[in-house]
Amino acid sequence: NAGVTQTPKFRILKIGQSMTLQCTQDMNHNYMYWYRQDPGMGLKLIYYSVGAGITDKGEVPNGYNVSRSTTEDFPLRLELAAPSQTSVYFCASTEGHNEQFFGPGTRLTVL
Amino acid sequence: SQKIEQNSEALNIQEGKTATLTCNYTNYSPAYLQWYRQDPGRGPVFLLLIRENEKEKRKERLKVTFDTTLKQSLFHITASQPADSATYLCALGLGGANNLFFGTGTRLTVIP
Repeated sequence: NAGVTQTPKFRILKIGQSMTLQCTQDMNHNYMYWYRQDPGMGLKLIYYSVGAGITDKGEVPNGYNVSRSTTEDFPLRLELAAPSQTSVYFCASTEGHNEQFFGPGTRLTVL
Repeated sequence: SQKIEQNSEALNIQEGKTATLTCNYTNYSPAYLQWYRQDPGRGPVFLLLIRENEKEKRKERLKVTFDTTLKQSLFHITASQPADSATYLCALGLGGANNLFFGTGTRLTVIP
C-alpha cells in the first residue's frame, strides 16, 4: 500500500494563477481531509469529505474548492492564488474514529 | 473562543529522562484525543488515541492521560532517546465526521 500520496511536492505560483493539488489514497477510506500548516502553527482544516460525492467546508475554506468523484481521489483547487495561501498543504484519510493517515505534503509559495 | 494550547513551543530534555508534554483545551467537548509526531518536512504520524471515557493509554514507552474535568491531556515519553526529537501535536476529535482540531505543537529535543 502506498497510503496517501500527494503531488506536486513543491510549487511556486504567481499571484492570480490557479492550480490543483492532487491527493490519492489506496486504503479505501471514506473520510478525506485537506489541511494547511503555516510556520509555528497547527494544522487548520480547509475541506473534508465523508465519501464520494460529499464534501464540506472546514475552518479555513475561503479561496479553495474541492471535489470527490471517487473514493480514492480528493483534489484541492486554488482558483486565484494569493500570498496568504503560501503554506504547506497536507491531505489525510481515515475510516471511523481512528487515526488519520497523512500524505507527505505540498509546499506552495505564492509570489 | 475555542483554544487548544500545548505547553511550550520547545522542550529540551536529557537522554534517558521522561518528557512530559501538555495539551490544554477550552470550549471543546472532545469525544477523543489523538497525539501525532511530525518530523521536519514530513506529514504527521499517528501515535496514540484516547477516548473521553478512558483515563490512560500506553504504547511501549509512550503514555497518554486524558482528564476531561481539567480539560487536559498529558503525553509522556519515558527513557527518552535522541530519535524521539520531533514536534508532537495533540488533536481533538469531536466525533461526527472525524474532524480533528490540532494544537500548535511542541518541538521536543532530546540531548545525548
